[in-house]
Amino acid sequence: SAVISQKPSRDICQRGTSLTIQCQVDSQVTMMFWYRQQPGQSLTLIATANQGSEATYESGFVIDKFPISRPNLTFSTLTVSNMSPEDSSIYLCSVGGRAGVDHEQYFGPGTRLTVT
Amino acid sequence: KQEVTQIPAALSVPEGENLVLNCSFTDSAIYNLQWFRQDPGKGLTSLLLIQSSQREQTSGRLNASLDKSSGRSTLYIAASQPGDSATYLCAVRRSGSRLTFGEGTQLTVNP
Repeated sequence: SAVISQKPSRDICQRGTSLTIQCQVDSQVTMMFWYRQQPGQSLTLIATANQGSEATYESGFVIDKFPISRPNLTFSTLTVSNMSPEDSSIYLCSVGGRAGVDHEQYFGPGTRLTVT
Repeated sequence: KQEVTQIPAALSVPEGENLVLNCSFTDSAIYNLQWFRQDPGKGLTSLLLIQSSQREQTSGRLNASLDKSSGRSTLYIAASQPGDSATYLCAVRRSGSRLTFGEGTQLTVNP
């Protein structure tokens, strides 16, 4: 399994500001993902963070709002830009197993964001 | 578009009871199915992974089954304990690496 840490664990931010969330994995992984979980709802994939190239975004999510970096195989950041109260969610980093897409996916502890 | 449904949405049982959580998905062309546990305000813990070629997986008191042709999976929890109280999420991987999640079943085990 992979051990994933996220920083910060939680934050309260004012609307219009930006927050960068860090995700660190204890081993090199090919696939890294960012999910959002809005209050009382299930998880929605924001984007796949690709090492050495731009992230691949899901429908409804754009790079200007959620810029992602993936400088190496163990680290990624997600920025939530120009925040509004609707961005209040838990943001989760996830990685695929080292063997590829057919193996387990693991999740970090999440970052609880509240926008006031 | 893959849709994943979990029934029931919430379940409350007395300690010691055996229980079954249900997950159904609309597109049977999946690579695998994964069951997760989520405690309030926390991340997800992987419980069991079933490949599309498998029928079931077991870990301790947990047993997950998969019937791909009918688009169904069940998670069986034996001899439930208060520590099992959490939200249980089912997720299927259909194409690429994208997981599609159900809405979850919120389980409460009462002492």
